[in-house]
Amino acid sequence: QSALTQPPSASGSPGQSVTISCAGTSSDVGAYNYVCWYQQHPGKAPKLMIYEVSKRPSGVPDRFSGSKSGNTASLTVSGLQAEDEADYYCSSYAGSNIFVFGTGTKVTVL
Amino acid sequence: EVQLVESGGGLVQSGGSLRLSCAVSGFTFSGQWMHWVRQAPGKGLVWVSRIKFDGSITGYADSVKGRFTISRDNAKNTLYLQMNSLTAEDTAVYYCAKTDWLDYWGQGTLVTVTS
Repeated sequence: QSALTQPPSASGSPGQSVTISCAGTSSDVGAYNYVCWYQQHPGKAPKLMIYEVSKRPSGVPDRFSGSKSGNTASLTVSGLQAEDEADYYCSSYAGSNIFVFGTGTKVTVL
Repeated sequence: EVQLVESGGGLVQSGGSLRLSCAVSGFTFSGQWMHWVRQAPGKGLVWVSRIKFDGSITGYADSVKGRFTISRDNAKNTLYLQMNSLTAEDTAVYYCAKTDWLDYWGQGTLVTVTS
């Protein structure tokens, strides 16, 4: 049960786009469309931003989008805003009733 | 309004036990898979456990298998996590979350294991 691999940090200026990768294996990300993305502000509980690779829950701005290619999933935040500065985590089902999170990425809005 | 409220955290000595609870409201608890996730201070999220809506299927991370037990009482709309043989590595904020998408989370309860 190894954590999915994310870059430790990413940044962009307001209005720009940032893309975060989430590298897994053929046993988790590559095997299931059960990839989710969460946003966590300091001291707060995580918030679901993307589910089933690319679906957005009600209330999540369409600036957030998700995709997957092979064993790697990605989250893109377009039109960066100050409130997007947070930690982002991916997760995936890994089979056999097991789930796994990514290592987390801190997004900074410059 | 969907609400999940964890309780039961606190200070416990290494080797000790603790039972966490997650009281829910605002949705049909008996129809949802439920999860526990933890986060050590300053660290990332770690998935801990999952239970089917009727309690018939459970899953655990390797790091807690054999020590932690997830359960639920659908009549009381409450999820539980029994934690035994605790070590310092179990120190974390523990969150409960609903559905396999973890679409709603509680505010978390802090468990601190001292040596």
